[in-house]
Amino acid sequence: EAEVAQSPRYKITEKSQAVAFWCDPISGHATLYWYRQILGQGPELLVQFQDESVVDDSQLPKDRFSAERLKGVDSTLKIQPAELGDSAMYLCASSRVPGQGWNTEAFFGQGTRLTVV
Amino acid sequence: QKEVEQNSGPLSVPEGAIASLNCTYSDRGSQSFFWYRQYSGKSPELIMSIYSNGDKEDGRFTAQLNKASQYVSLLIRDSQPSDSATYLCAVPRRDDKIIFGKGTRLHILP
Repeated sequence: EAEVAQSPRYKITEKSQAVAFWCDPISGHATLYWYRQILGQGPELLVQFQDESVVDDSQLPKDRFSAERLKGVDSTLKIQPAELGDSAMYLCASSRVPGQGWNTEAFFGQGTRLTVV
Repeated sequence: QKEVEQNSGPLSVPEGAIASLNCTYSDRGSQSFFWYRQYSGKSPELIMSIYSNGDKEDGRFTAQLNKASQYVSLLIRDSQPSDSATYLCAVPRRDDKIIFGKGTRLHILP
């Protein structure tokens, strides 16, 4: 069964250090999402790609976060420098197409649990 | 009004009973609606999607959609302890962003 792959599963980093997360979506899925989830809250969209293009990054803290999907397949999310408040679960998801209707369901990877100390 | 609203719970339901989870949304243009189950420390897992008004059944799960009332619900029949989890309602907006509610914590009492 096709899955969204994410790595690492867990990451502990010191504040002010750089950290990166990787995601490989389900094959054939053009839309890729990065979400951040704080304990007790729902996932919050950070950035959305359609193929290699960013279609929404309005909630991405651009002074410290960056995301890329250079060849329209896998993606990297980077934080530099990390702050204590960045501790959260970072979730990658993909869907075949965006928008409404069939084939727009998003499927999640296992997530990366980030702890900043 | 929040874009996707859910009662955070916890909702406690005896084993074998019906669990009813509710969600309201604000974007009248939304056409797709998803329910995810999330176990503690794990990522969300898609369990139901619904696109048309009415009911959609899949095993013990039934999703109900009323677009006029901007309301979508999830019923779980014959609740099992393994159903204890947080259930997230997700609604794509007209700008293609998928917005999640905060989730409802469900606890099935043995």
